[in-house]
Amino acid sequence: DTGVSQNPRHKITKRGQNVTFRCDPISEHNRLYWYRQTLGQGPEFLTYFQNEAQLEKSRLLSDRFSAERPKGSFSTLEIQRTEQGDSAMYLCASSTGTGFHEQFFGPGTRLTVL
Amino acid sequence: GQNIDQPTEMTATEGAIVQINCTYQTSGFNGLFWYQQHAGEAPTFLSYNVLDGLEEKGRFSSFLSRSKGYSYLLLKELQMKDSASYLCAVRVNTNAGKSTFGDGTTLTVKP
Repeated sequence: DTGVSQNPRHKITKRGQNVTFRCDPISEHNRLYWYRQTLGQGPEFLTYFQNEAQLEKSRLLSDRFSAERPKGSFSTLEIQRTEQGDSAMYLCASSTGTGFHEQFFGPGTRLTVL
Repeated sequence: GQNIDQPTEMTATEGAIVQINCTYQTSGFNGLFWYQQHAGEAPTFLSYNVLDGLEEKGRFSSFLSRSKGYSYLLLKELQMKDSASYLCAVRVNTNAGKSTFGDGTTLTVKP
């Protein structure tokens, strides 16, 4: 399967703990996006990478959130000192730098903060 | 920022036609996407419009009017499997390629 993969698929953690999610994009895609989605809402943009460079970060993203894409391939999203409000589905998507840039989404990581 | 409005819910009958509308307010518009999202799954790409007019792709068509800030997704010959959320997304920055999503329209297809 050459689609976008995300790990873990589910994560339950206690408030105050740190969590890290991984995304492996489609191999030839140089653009990678992170979104957050809660029930009944559309995906909300968090951050964007072109190759290894983080080019945009939502102002909604607090200092507790950090993302990396060290070699321009997989990416990680870390949330420090989790809060109950962080409970959501975290979606990763990738796209090429050509054409109309449709995004291919991974299955998501569902985070539950107790 | 961008304001994107879609109806929250719609219901239609198997075999019928349904039109899902999306209106948006934005500057620097550079394309509109429609995605389908089944419950508990990731969004999947359906269509893209950047010029005014209708784009047809099998049972699905998408229309765009940039002057009116308006798009619709038309689904023909509805099937039960079309029950899903349909997300309208607007792109405004070519370099970033990021999209701003509406909250989606939950379509229920009944027999």
